[in-house]
Amino acid sequence: KNEVEQSPQNLTAQEGEFITINCSYSVGISALHWLQQHPGGGIVSLFMLSSGKKKHGRLIATINIQEKHSSLHITASHPRDSAVYICAVSSGSRLTFGEGTQLTVNP
Amino acid sequence: DTAVSQTPKYLVTQMGNDKSIKCEQNLGHDTMYWYKQDSKKFLKIMFSYNNKELIINETVPNRFSPKSPDKAHLNLHINSLELGDSAVYFCASSPGGGNTIYFGEGSWLTVV
Repeated sequence: KNEVEQSPQNLTAQEGEFITINCSYSVGISALHWLQQHPGGGIVSLFMLSSGKKKHGRLIATINIQEKHSSLHITASHPRDSAVYICAVSSGSRLTFGEGTQLTVNP
Repeated sequence: DTAVSQTPKYLVTQMGNDKSIKCEQNLGHDTMYWYKQDSKKFLKIMFSYNNKELIINETVPNRFSPKSPDKAHLNLHINSLELGDSAVYFCASSPGGGNTIYFGEGSWLTVV
């Protein structure tokens, strides 16, 4: 079993829908990261969390340290949100990745 | 200016060859990484350097050798390339610890 589990693996939504991607981890962490990888391949860091909640535009990330769980929410989804979303946890300098969630938002 | 730049972006080479991928960051970060993304899109850490010193070396064949001439550069040399080395290799940097990580655009390596 991976140390970082994401669900769902694949997600298809209609434009405007509210989207949630979940991440659970089984190791001690110093921080949790949400990353976005577009079809062109580049990886962008969306959030880094060690507690609570962060918001950036239509994206919201939450983390519950006690339950070892994080969620990434996208409000009013748009086709340009289509990408792979990757959860990763850091422990010191080591980063462990989930397998990613392929999100497709249809117009 | 690109924060983390890696070259080449695409590399097609024959089995048995030796190749290098270069990485440079202009963010002043102390820590640099190499990650491998396989055909299933799963990312795994290969190496991590902090101030030119190796701090993480995952179970990677010793055909892979990182070299850090200074803290702004971390190059990846691969000897005797094999078909299974085909993947996307990402360089990244961060201030260290659990801080935000900045990725390069990836290098697509195809071994034929």
